Amino acid sequence: SYELTQPLSVSVALGQTASIPCGGNNIVSKKVHWYQQKPGQAPVLVIYRDSNRPFGIPERFSGSNSGNTATLTISRAQAGDEADYYCQVWDSSTDVVFGGGTKLTVL
Amino acid sequence: EVQLVETGGGLIQPGGSLRLSCAASGFTVSSNSMGWVRQAPGKGLDWVSVIYSGGAIYYADSVKGRFTISRDNSKNTLYLQINSLRVEDTAVYYCARVRITSSSNYMDVWGKGTTVTVSS
Repeated sequence: SYELTQPLSVSVALGQTASIPCGGNNIVSKKVHWYQQKPGQAPVLVIYRDSNRPFGIPERFSGSNSGNTATLTISRAQAGDEADYYCQVWDSSTDVVFGGGTKLTVL
Repeated sequence: EVQLVETGGGLIQPGGSLRLSCAASGFTVSSNSMGWVRQAPGKGLDWVSVIYSGGAIYYADSVKGRFTISRDNSKNTLYLQINSLRVEDTAVYYCARVRITSSSNYMDVWGKGTTVTVSS
C-alpha cells in the first residue's frame, strides 16, 4: 500500500515562509491535496491537485510536487495559520491515503 | 450554501451498533461521490469508506465487514452503519463530498463531524 510521510511538526517565525513536506515513493506521479485542520474543527481543503487553491483560500498558500516530495508552502505566515496540515493522495489499491499530519507552529 | 451535517454519534458499548447520518444541502448526494473519514482522539485523519456516484463502494480494511455505507437519494442523506463496535472505533466521524478527477480524488466539502465513543 502507498504511504505518505510528514514531519510531526514545523515551526515558522511570524511573517516568514513555512514549508511542509510530504514524502512518498515517486509522489510526482500522483496528484497531492492538502488540508488544514484547526483545533476542534473539521479539515478544510487548501490545495488540490498539487498546486490549485480552492475559492477563498489566500494566495499565500501554494503547493508543489517533485520527485519523492510534495510541499505545501505558506508565505507571510500568520498566527491564524497555526494548525495541523495533512497531505493526501489517491491510490488505486487503497483509495484515499492521508499523511500523518504536521503541526505548524507560528513563533 | 453547500453544507453537510452529521448526526447519530454517541456513547456505545463494545459490540454495539450505530447508524451515522450525513444530511447534505446545496447539492445532490446521488450525483456526487461521498465518503466518511474518522479521527481518533489526538490522531490523524483515517479514511473509512466511499460510495461513488455510480454506486461502487470502497471500505478500509480496518472496517470491512463491520461498516456499511449507503445513501437515501430521497432524503439527500449519506449513512454509515457501524456494527460490532470496538474501542478503537472511538473517533470523530466526518462525512465529505469527494471530487473525482483523473486518478486523483479529494474532499472539497466536510461536515463538522459526529463523535462516537465506544466504552463499557
